[in-house]
Amino acid sequence: DSQMTQSPSSLSASVGDRITITCRSTHDISISLNWYQHKPGKAPKLLIYDASSLQSGVPARFSGSGSGTHFTLTISSLQPEDFATYYCQQTYNTPLAFGGGTKVEIK
Amino acid sequence: EVQLVESGGGLVQPGRSLRLSCVGSGFMFDDYAIHWVRQAPGKGLQWISGISWNSGHIAYADSLRGRFTISRDNAKNSLYLQINSLRAEDTAVYYCAKGSNRRSRVTGGFFDYWGQGALVTVSS
Repeated sequence: DSQMTQSPSSLSASVGDRITITCRSTHDISISLNWYQHKPGKAPKLLIYDASSLQSGVPARFSGSGSGTHFTLTISSLQPEDFATYYCQQTYNTPLAFGGGTKVEIK
Repeated sequence: EVQLVESGGGLVQPGRSLRLSCVGSGFMFDDYAIHWVRQAPGKGLQWISGISWNSGHIAYADSLRGRFTISRDNAKNSLYLQINSLRAEDTAVYYCAKGSNRRSRVTGGFFDYWGQGALVTVSS
């Protein structure tokens, strides 16, 4: 099983800050890594797929990188609507798995 | 417009069974894998199970295999999740989500559309 570990589990940041979230897999998952944004009471929203491809309609301040076992999600300039919880997900093999989540809060 | 709508949630006593449903519209339902994901109160997203377009590939989270059964009826554009012997720790919002790759197995791609979720509360 490819288990996913995200860090940090939470962070406080200000509007305009650049933030980076890390996701590590216990096994090589190539680029089968996706990032989602989740807000309370809403369905999760796909941001990045295949490690670095930006989903249509998602602002360019979001970017992803990595391959194998180490991945990152970067928000270049945090906006008020970006305060949410972010999850990585591997779809390389079963069981599929999400990371534990990173809650981004307002400083 | 792609839509996924879950139903069947509610308050259930421990030990009882429950079947959740998810109806898809706005896309060729029988061409895509569909998944179940849940979020318990204060916890993160947990993938439960996925089923391929033709039910030929089914997979479950290791910790949930045995009490959970996924199935689909493409003629009704419907996905199901049967949960037996419900426990308090099964209390969660249950989402169905559409896989992105046409006519593929459960693996690969991403979840491009999600339902709004169905709340299941297990309590006496």
